Amino acid sequence: EAGVAQSPRYKIIEKRQSVAFWCNPISGHATLYWYQQILGQGPKLLIQFQNNGVVDDSQLPKDRFSAERLKGVDSTLKIQPAKLEDSAVYLCASSLELPRTSGRNEQYFGPGTRLTVT
Amino acid sequence: AQSVTQPDIHITVSEGASLELRCNYSYGATPYLFWYVQSPGQGLQLLLKYFSGDTLVQGIKGFEAEFKRSQSSFNLRKPSVHWSDAAEYFCAVNDYKLSFGAGTTVTVRA
Repeated sequence: EAGVAQSPRYKIIEKRQSVAFWCNPISGHATLYWYQQILGQGPKLLIQFQNNGVVDDSQLPKDRFSAERLKGVDSTLKIQPAKLEDSAVYLCASSLELPRTSGRNEQYFGPGTRLTVT
Repeated sequence: AQSVTQPDIHITVSEGASLELRCNYSYGATPYLFWYVQSPGQGLQLLLKYFSGDTLVQGIKGFEAEFKRSQSSFNLRKPSVHWSDAAEYFCAVNDYKLSFGAGTTVTVRA
């Protein structure tokens, strides 16, 4: 089965510019996640969708980050305007639909987009 | 709140030698625990997971992990390391949100 697809793989922008990342989850996976992974750290959840609804966006810097999953399939994450500290790898993951409180939710990760803000 | 600590930032091991990566978690109830591996330029791949039952869990690529509730640990082991095991390894705990440790980078020397 095809895995989680992400594009672009690499992006270099200047601070204050905007950027968008795209993710296509595994077919049939209702839950989609965006993570930010700063160099030397583990991934940190930014936002979680279940179908096209937001389950958790408590760690999303909403003044500059936005995400949408309009048709309940693919998703875009946008940063506008970018700051130097946004340099990171942005990972998308997906999983089957399970109850929100279930810890058994196995997530499948895409290859990530490496963003460099100069 | 749940959290994960990986005490070792970097480990160097000779090819063919054994490997053990440490993971300590903080969580009030029965934890759901995971180990992921991330090769350079790649996403995270699940190595193994623990939900309940047998405390020794077998995973892919010859890895295993042992859950010890009394020590709040979930250490990852491999008896004989291959050069292709050089990567970054992440331990994670999941309630409704997956929380990762900072990772351990493994270097394999010939």
